[in-house]
Amino acid sequence: NAGVMQNPRHLVRRRGQEARLRCSPMKGHSHVYWYRQLPEEGLKFMVYLQKENIIDESGMPKERFSAEFPKEGPSILRIQQVVRGDSAAYFCASSPVGGNTEAFFGQGTRLTVV
Amino acid sequence: QQQVKQSPQSLIVQKGGISIINCAYENTAFDYFPWYQQFPGKGPALLIAIRPDVSEKKEGRFTISFNKSAKQFSLHIMDSQPGDSATYFCAASMNTGFQKLVFGTGTRLLVSP
Repeated sequence: NAGVMQNPRHLVRRRGQEARLRCSPMKGHSHVYWYRQLPEEGLKFMVYLQKENIIDESGMPKERFSAEFPKEGPSILRIQQVVRGDSAAYFCASSPVGGNTEAFFGQGTRLTVV
Repeated sequence: QQQVKQSPQSLIVQKGGISIINCAYENTAFDYFPWYQQFPGKGPALLIAIRPDVSEKKEGRFTISFNKSAKQFSLHIMDSQPGDSATYFCAASMNTGFQKLVFGTGTRLLVSP
């Protein structure tokens, strides 16, 4: 039973390019969370999605960031026109149901904007 | 009010010693308090969690102590081992129907041989 799979593990983008981060939840999990970890800081909640629905995006920056979790395929976190301040580790977590059930984290995608 | 304050920022403990990490919160609506362990280059992994209806929870060498009136909780690692060297995060969430975690800033633990 594979864990939460994130790819790519490392991503380098030039300023102004787009970054697409993918997350395949654990088998049977239909709830996905995205968190961002800036250097030397804790993780910050970005967005919570269920299949085909964004439930809570209160932690998402208002511009340039979007997320989706389609009926088929992985969840995608998309960052348009990246800036240096977007450089961070982006973690995806999944859980089988809602509530305070354990969410399992992937290994993260480390985005570097040059 | 949404913050979780964690201390110390870093900690060095000798092998066999006790590691203690503390967290404090303000929001009394928090009702779930997990601790995560993160190794370099890896994602956080749930270590142990507690709800406010108990004051202590123990799993192996790891114990959470919870003080509801003081709004504080702590992680104790007994008989610390070099393999425990990692970054530890406390977190909290409310019963909102999903696990929206508020994380502390992390404690980097080094257990010396």
